[in-house]
Amino acid sequence: QKEVEQDPGPLSVPEGAIVSLNCTYSNSAFQYFMWYRQYSRKGPELLMYTYSSGNKEDGRFTAQVDKSSKYISLFIRDSQPSDSATYLCATAEDFGNEKLTFGTGTRLTIIP
Amino acid sequence: EAGVAQSPRYKIIEKRQSVAFWCNPISGHATLYWYQQILGQGPKLLIQFQNNGVVDDSQLPKDRFSAERLKGVDSTLKIQPAKLEDSAVYLCASSKRTGNTEAFFGQGTRLTVV
Repeated sequence: QKEVEQDPGPLSVPEGAIVSLNCTYSNSAFQYFMWYRQYSRKGPELLMYTYSSGNKEDGRFTAQVDKSSKYISLFIRDSQPSDSATYLCATAEDFGNEKLTFGTGTRLTIIP
Repeated sequence: EAGVAQSPRYKIIEKRQSVAFWCNPISGHATLYWYQQILGQGPKLLIQFQNNGVVDDSQLPKDRFSAERLKGVDSTLKIQPAKLEDSAVYLCASSKRTGNTEAFFGQGTRLTVV
């Protein structure tokens, strides 16, 4: 069993739709949960991170963590074509330290 | 602020050949990471440096992979000899320090072993 599982997609939605991306993890020691966005032929860039359980909102993006069920979600409201990318969830025992454990990534396409 | 620089962007080699990748982190960043991203998978950490010392190389295949970070700035990752399964994007990332700080990624080097 992989430590972080993520539906690889691909996922295609029309512009303006709400997008839901999800991951599950198995290691209870993980405390930090991150979402990275990776455009084609580019390196990942940090989109959001949360510590422990709860919600975090940043503009059109909302990250949710439920540690009781080991479930991580990213919601994108009013999706735009520029949101088309691969989204990677990642976990770590400490933020920014080290060993990020990534999911496989979900390839998202927003159709104009 | 300049980002993490990597070269070359692309490399094609035959199996059993050797190859080296170079990374220049963001100025002042003490921590440097090398990740391997196989097509369709998330990045996997190969090695982490703090200044010029190795913090974690538990997932580095040491029989064929080596990395160094002389003077605590630039780093090189070498593969010798390469295998077909080494085909991947090799990502370098850096952060100001270890702990509680964001890591920034370079564009990566895409390696194809034929």
